[in-house]
Amino acid sequence: ETGVTQTPRHLVMGMTNKKSLKCEQHLGHNAMYWYKQSAKKPLELMFVYSLEERVENNSVPSRFSPECPNSSHLFLHLHTLQPEDSALYLCASSQDRVSKNIQYFGAGTRLSVL
Amino acid sequence: TQLLEQSPQFLSIQEGENLTVYCNSSSVFSSLQWYRQEPGEGPVLLVTVVTGGEVKKLKRLTFQFGDARKDSSLHITAAQPGDTGLYLCAGYYGGSQGNLIFGKGTKLSVKP
Repeated sequence: ETGVTQTPRHLVMGMTNKKSLKCEQHLGHNAMYWYKQSAKKPLELMFVYSLEERVENNSVPSRFSPECPNSSHLFLHLHTLQPEDSALYLCASSQDRVSKNIQYFGAGTRLSVL
Repeated sequence: TQLLEQSPQFLSIQEGENLTVYCNSSSVFSSLQWYRQEPGEGPVLLVTVVTGGEVKKLKRLTFQFGDARKDSSLHITAAQPGDTGLYLCAGYYGGSQGNLIFGKGTKLSVKP
């Protein structure tokens, strides 16, 4: 148990569906992250929130829309995804964006787009 | 391009063997972290190294940060099936940039 909880753990969706991934951290951290993990690729940083403000968006397509309503919760809203978006989506949190940036990860959501 | 190269990509060994995996970059890092990721789970932090030349031990795992803070190694002594997983290194440049740069990982399988 890392203190970061992601739901759902598995998700299958069609290309026309709309779904949301949820992340909750119980560590009192101020920064939260979304990563995409695909086979044979390094973890790809998608979005960074610091103190509930989005501070980074790494050229992610607009079909991915993040939301951070408070410092403990992070969402990733998905719509009209493509099959190549199938991957493991990981949420992480850290105390802040400095101090060695030690990140704690959730177990991930395994997403399959049909 | 900021890159962290990990080698080998795959490693399959028998229980009781020793092994070393490597993490290399042309960039200098403020700190470097090692994570282990088991199937169906997220990465779990093993250690953070900060000082050039630093050596840290975690039971049978020994981590070393290169003197120039560009590379790191992880040595496992007497590997056990429970060591099976994906080992990821992640470099941190520090300052306002604040992001971790991950390698692709080394997938380790330890057979009984």
